[in-house]
Amino acid sequence: DAGVIQSPRHEVTEMGQEVTLRCKPISGHDYLFWYRQTMMRGLELLIYFNNNVPIDDSGMPEDRFSAKMPNASFSTLKIQPSEPRDSAVYFCASTARAGHFYGYTFGSGTRLTVV
Amino acid sequence: AQSVTQLDSHVSVSEGTPVLLRCNYSSSYSPSLFWYVQHPNKGLQLLLKYTSAATLVKGINGFEAEFKKSETSFHLTKPSAHMSDAAEYFCVVSDAGGTSYGKLTFGQGTILTVHP
Repeated sequence: DAGVIQSPRHEVTEMGQEVTLRCKPISGHDYLFWYRQTMMRGLELLIYFNNNVPIDDSGMPEDRFSAKMPNASFSTLKIQPSEPRDSAVYFCASTARAGHFYGYTFGSGTRLTVV
Repeated sequence: AQSVTQLDSHVSVSEGTPVLLRCNYSSSYSPSLFWYVQHPNKGLQLLLKYTSAATLVKGINGFEAEFKKSETSFHLTKPSAHMSDAAEYFCVVSDAGGTSYGKLTFGQGTILTVHP
């Protein structure tokens, strides 16, 4: 199994541009999570999906952030327009059952820099 | 509600000496607890997990953790540190019920430095 695959690994963009982060969960996992990691705030849950349906998006910081999961093997996190304070590492994770029992498998992350 | 407190932001040990990374948690329901490790510029890897079975949990790379309900603690230990253990470690809790079911709450992390 290739694990959770995120792309791109690194993204540098100018303020105001649209940024799209991508995630392919492990096949058969029906939960998918997006996390953001910063020095100041640590790891924050942004949104999670169950069977492609968004369950809790209370962690999405602003309307500039949106996430979709059009099918079981693909999810996107979009920031439009991007701002320098969005600079962070964004992780995608998936699990076969609610992570309470199994923990999650994390991708390698996308390091986003907005200049 | 659930929360996690990692008591040390940095721990420094010499190679071959024991490692202790401290974690306290609070949870409204029967929690599951995890330790994750993150090496520089890498993703998060699951080290071990407690899910209401044995209170002493063994993980990968020689790490162990003991769940102590009376102390609400889940400290991570290793008898002998190796240079490759240098990384950031996260204690994580997940509640069994309520609106936070299945959601992981991360501690702020402990950076482990291992000196030769």
